[in-house]
This record gives sequence, structure tokens and C-alpha cells, in this order.
Amino acid sequence: EAGVAQSPRYKIIEKRQSVAFWCNPISGHATLYWYQQILGQGPKLLIQFQNNGVVDDSQLPKDRFSAERLKGVDSTLKIQPAKLEDSAVYLCASSPRGRAYEQYFGPGTRLTVT
Amino acid sequence: AQKITQTQPGMFVQEKEAVTLDCTYDTSDPSYGLFWYKQPSSGEMIFLIYQGSYDQQNATEGRYSLNFQKARKSANLVISASQLGDSAMYFCAMREGLAQAGTALIFGKGTTLSVSS
Repeated sequence: EAGVAQSPRYKIIEKRQSVAFWCNPISGHATLYWYQQILGQGPKLLIQFQNNGVVDDSQLPKDRFSAERLKGVDSTLKIQPAKLEDSAVYLCASSPRGRAYEQYFGPGTRLTVT
Repeated sequence: AQKITQTQPGMFVQEKEAVTLDCTYDTSDPSYGLFWYKQPSSGEMIFLIYQGSYDQQNATEGRYSLNFQKARKSANLVISASQLGDSAMYFCAMREGLAQAGTALIFGKGTTLSVSS
């Protein structure tokens, strides 16, 4: 079974530019999460989808971050415009239906904003 | 208040020795789950072990065991017979609510484990 896929793995942009990350969860997983992990800290939830609906986006900086999950499968996370403090690893995770205690993480996208 | 507290920024252990990584949590929800993840330098989060709040016995997975003390709200990870490959960052995490509800994980700040030969 293929794991959670993310791309790109690394991205370097200048502040005020925009960037997008892509996540393909494990096939059949209904729940998808985006986490932000700043260097030296634990991951922090940005947004959670159940199928293609948003369950929790309370910690998403909505003035600059947006995310969508069309058709309840792939998801994209966008930052526009980026700030220096957005430099972090962006982790995508997914859970199977009815087994939310199982979260499988992708390799992450390391973003550097200069 | 912090929901997950890991007080050890770094731990050092020799190969083949056991090591305990501390984790305390704070929740008023009677249903919750506790997790430990390993994050090597490659960055991927690797699930190690899970303990549900209603589980009567401490969880074990190979060389990993979770010392669950509910009254003290602690969920320490014990790694027996450490190996060089165990060197990584370790995160304690909690999910509040029923497992089926699909709530996100709340992570601690992590503990860096270094295993020497």
C-alpha cells in the first residue's frame, strides 16, 4: 500500500511570493490533515478535512493560507503572500474512516522563506 | 496551558541500555488517546505506540512500551535495548475525544534522543 505522498519536498521562495503544496493521502482515507512544524517544535494542526469538507481550520491564518480538498482525495495548501515566519515543514497526514487514531504522515515539504 | 509537556529537550543513552522519555498531558475529556512518534532527520513522522484512555493495560510494541499513569496524567515512553538507529526526535501527542471522531493530534515540543556506541 502506497503511503501519503507530498510534493515538492523542498521549496525556497522570497517573502511576499506565493507557494502551493500538494498531498495525496492513502487510498480510501477519509480524513486528511495539514500540520505546520516550525524548527524545534512539534507539529501544529492547520486544517483538517473529512472527505472534502473542513472539520477544523481554527488555527489556519486565513488571511494568507488557504486549502482545498477537491473530490475528497488530493489536497493543496497555498500560502499567499508568504512571510519569513512561514518557514517550516508542512506535513500532510491521513486517517482511515472510523480509525482516526491511526494517522499516517507523509514525508513533508520543507519551506524556506528568504 | 500546554496540553502536552515534554520536559527533556535532549536525552543521551548508550547502546543496549533502556531509556525513558517523559510526557505529561492535560485534558478534561474522559476519552482521549496518547501517541508517540519518532522523527528521524529525514523528517517523516513514524508512529510508534498508542494508548487509549480506557485501556487497562500499558501498551507495548516490540522494544517500545508506554508507562501510562492516568492519575498522574503521564504517558512516558520506554525504549528497551537502545540501538544506534533510535537516535531521533521523539514526540508525544494526544487526541481528545472518541477515536472515531477524527480529531487532530496535539503534539509536545519533542525530545531529542542520542544513542552512542
